[in-house]
Amino acid sequence: QKEVEQDPGPLSVPEGAIVSLNCTYSNSAFQYFMWYRQYSRKGPELLMYTYSSGNKEDGRFTAQVDKSSKYISLFIRDSQPSDSATYLCAVEGSQGNLIFGKGTKLSVKP
Amino acid sequence: DTGVSQDPRHKITKRGQNVTFRCDPISEHNRLYWYRQTLGQGPEFLTYFQNEAQLEKSRLLSDRFSAERPKGSFSTLEIQRTEQGDSAMYLCASSLVTSSGEQYFGPGTRLTVT
Repeated sequence: QKEVEQDPGPLSVPEGAIVSLNCTYSNSAFQYFMWYRQYSRKGPELLMYTYSSGNKEDGRFTAQVDKSSKYISLFIRDSQPSDSATYLCAVEGSQGNLIFGKGTKLSVKP
Repeated sequence: DTGVSQDPRHKITKRGQNVTFRCDPISEHNRLYWYRQTLGQGPEFLTYFQNEAQLEKSRLLSDRFSAERPKGSFSTLEIQRTEQGDSAMYLCASSLVTSSGEQYFGPGTRLTVT
């Protein structure tokens, strides 16, 4: 079992839709959870950084962590064509490294 | 400070040649990380430095790979005797020790081995 699992999609939604992106992880010891956005042929951009369980909101983005089910989510409200990108979830491993999912490719259609 | 920078952005090399990449982290960040990303995959950890000390290395980092951060500022990643399987995006990231999960990435160096 991989340490972080993420459905690669692709996911296509109309402009203005609420997008839900999800990951599961295997190790209950993970404490820090991240979401990155990556445009084609660019480096990942940190979107959300959360500690332990709960919600964190930043503008149109909400990150949610449920440690009891080892489930992390990113919600995007009022999605825009400029949100079209690959979204990567990550956890911080015991070595200080990040462990990433495969990424979900999102397309928001005007 | 404009963020993490990497040079070159693209490199095409023939199999068997050596290549070297450079990363300049965010100036106040004392941790620097190297990752590799292939098409359709998330980045995979290779190694990281805290100041000039190399603290962790992944088993992905074969003996053909070497990384340095001589003065605790910029870092270089060298691949010797490149193979076609080394073709990937090489990403550098940096962070503070106190928030090591909050890593900021550079634009990457795309390596193509022919």
